[in-house]
Amino acid sequence: EAGVVQSPRYKIIEKKQPVAFWCNPISGHNTLYWYRQNLGQGPELLIRYENEEAVDDSQLPKDRFSAERLKGVDSTLKIQPAELGDSAVYLCASSLDSASSYNSPLHFGNGTRLTVT
Amino acid sequence: AQSVTQLDSQVPVFEEAPVELRCNYSSSVSVYLFWYVQYPNQGLQLLLKYLSGSTLVESINGFEAEFNKSQTSFHLRKPSVHISDTAEYFCAVSETGGFKTIFGAGTRLFVKA
Repeated sequence: EAGVVQSPRYKIIEKKQPVAFWCNPISGHNTLYWYRQNLGQGPELLIRYENEEAVDDSQLPKDRFSAERLKGVDSTLKIQPAELGDSAVYLCASSLDSASSYNSPLHFGNGTRLTVT
Repeated sequence: AQSVTQLDSQVPVFEEAPVELRCNYSSSVSVYLFWYVQYPNQGLQLLLKYLSGSTLVESINGFEAEFNKSQTSFHLRKPSVHISDTAEYFCAVSETGGFKTIFGAGTRLFVKA
């Protein structure tokens, strides 16, 4: 099966500029996650989607971050405006469905490494 | 709320030597436990998982982990490592009935020739 696809792989922007990341999950996976991984840290959940509904966005900084998954398939994460502290790797993951999301493995993409200068 | 502590940030080891990567968790309810591996410039991949049953779980490439409920630990071991095992390893926990997977900070395993 094709894996989780993310683009771009790398992005360098100046602070205060907008940036967007795209994710296409594994076909048939209803649950989609966006994680942020800071240097030397483990991934931290930003938002979780069940189909097109954001069911957990409690860790998403809503003043500058937004996300959408309009047709319940691919998803976009946006930052506007970016700050220096947003430099990190942004990981997208998917799993089959909500009933299994707590005991089935997450399938991760290769991530987007964001550098804000 | 659950949490995960990986006790070693880096573990250097010689090829063919045994290794143990330590992981402790905290939770007030039953949990599922995972180890993920991240090779350079790649996303995380599931290495092995404990859901229920036998407390000793194994991966296809020779790693094993043992769930110890009394010590709230899930240490990862391999009796003989290879250069190709060099990667970052993340321990993760999900509470049964919950939907959130919490990751530890990671342990960088560096295998030397």
